[in-house]
Amino acid sequence: GAGVSQSPSNKVTEKGKDVELRCDPISGHTALYWYRQSLGQGLEFLIYFQGNSAPDKSGLPSDRFSAERTGGSVSTLTIQRTQQEDSAVYLCASSIERGGQTQYFGPGTRLLVL
Amino acid sequence: GNSVTQMEGPVTLSEEAFLTINCTYTATGYPSLFWYVQYPGEGLQLLLKATKADDKGSNKGFEATYRKETTSFHLEKGSVQVSDSAVYFCAHITGTASKLTFGTGTRLQVTL
Repeated sequence: GAGVSQSPSNKVTEKGKDVELRCDPISGHTALYWYRQSLGQGLEFLIYFQGNSAPDKSGLPSDRFSAERTGGSVSTLTIQRTQQEDSAVYLCASSIERGGQTQYFGPGTRLLVL
Repeated sequence: GNSVTQMEGPVTLSEEAFLTINCTYTATGYPSLFWYVQYPGEGLQLLLKATKADDKGSNKGFEATYRKETTSFHLEKGSVQVSDSAVYFCAHITGTASKLTFGTGTRLQVTL
């Protein structure tokens, strides 16, 4: 079946604007993750959803970042009042379940904040 | 805490050379270990994994063995090709954690 899809593939925005990034996980995968890949910080975990459990938000860098997952499927990562340091590639991954199961990554959304 | 350390790149090799990319980790409990690869312009792909001590993961000629005694998961390939040029990431996940912890990545450049 289809892999993880993300949209948009690229996003350019002005500092101070809000952005929404979308992730569509692999069908049947109950776990969904967001990561950020930036030059200075490498690959960082942001947030994790598992079924109906409360999300693990421990990686979110500030309260400008939030995410939700509707109906146990599609997820949206929202960044409010974007800053230049938010420029990065935002990666979404999904897995069958939590723990040691393999995470499958989407192609990412490249965000540039001017 | 949990961390992954991998050798600094870039690594430049001639085609058919032997490749080793070192990776060591610190983790609570018994993590599952992974190598992911990112080809130019593409997303992260799982290359191989091992879930318990002494397991060997292998794929596309690459191998890595889970060494609990040295907390290592070094990536090896006997004969690299130009098409192996990519960035390689070592990572782990523990049974109680939900996130992958990645190393900084090692860029491999293979030349003719």
